Amino acid sequence: KQEVTQIPAALSVPEGENLVLNCSFTDSAIYNLQWFRQDPGKGLTSLLLIQSSQREQTSGRLNASLDKSSGRSTLYIAASQPGDSATYLCAVLSSNTGKLIFGQGTTLQVKP
Amino acid sequence: EAGVAQSPRYKIIEKRQSVAFWCNPISGHATLYWYQQILGQGPKLLIQFQNNGVVDDSQLPKDRFSAERLKGVDSTLKIQPAKLEDSAVYLCASSLDGRKQFFGPGTRLTVL
Repeated sequence: KQEVTQIPAALSVPEGENLVLNCSFTDSAIYNLQWFRQDPGKGLTSLLLIQSSQREQTSGRLNASLDKSSGRSTLYIAASQPGDSATYLCAVLSSNTGKLIFGQGTTLQVKP
Repeated sequence: EAGVAQSPRYKIIEKRQSVAFWCNPISGHATLYWYQQILGQGPKLLIQFQNNGVVDDSQLPKDRFSAERLKGVDSTLKIQPAKLEDSAVYLCASSLDGRKQFFGPGTRLTVL
């Protein structure tokens, strides 16, 4: 059974810091991995999607990497801003079941 | 292109009452999903439709939850009777090819 774990559960950093969010998964049989952002009381916004054959994806100040063999992904946020404060969710699309399995999220607070 | 629409955005009910949520997916998306997200956790799949047929409802508590997707477009999710532990955000998502899901803004349900 696929399990997705995100560490840390919460993170507080001063504005301007570079930071890394971690995601690990137990089964390497995946189609892709996605990172989502969720603001309080809102739905999910897709940030980056990495296909299983890819190693990384970049969008602006965000960079996500994927190491399928070790079951790990990281989301790197450069020069963090208060507007980056949100919960970040990692999800893998299982190639065995076709289901999207989510981690529990990392809640990020960037202080001005 | 319009995104996934959900209503209502918020709902407060007493336990043992019934409630219904509505979802309109992105035009042309054959696959529709309902997720339950309890506070502090990642979303969990309740039911998946392909057009108007159910693909997976293994995690749907069928004694109180029901869902339908008439004409393969809009969908409704109903809870009857509601319990305190049903308090959560209910997210609807749709997909064209099953590889990437697009999420709506969610409905926040509070059961008192």
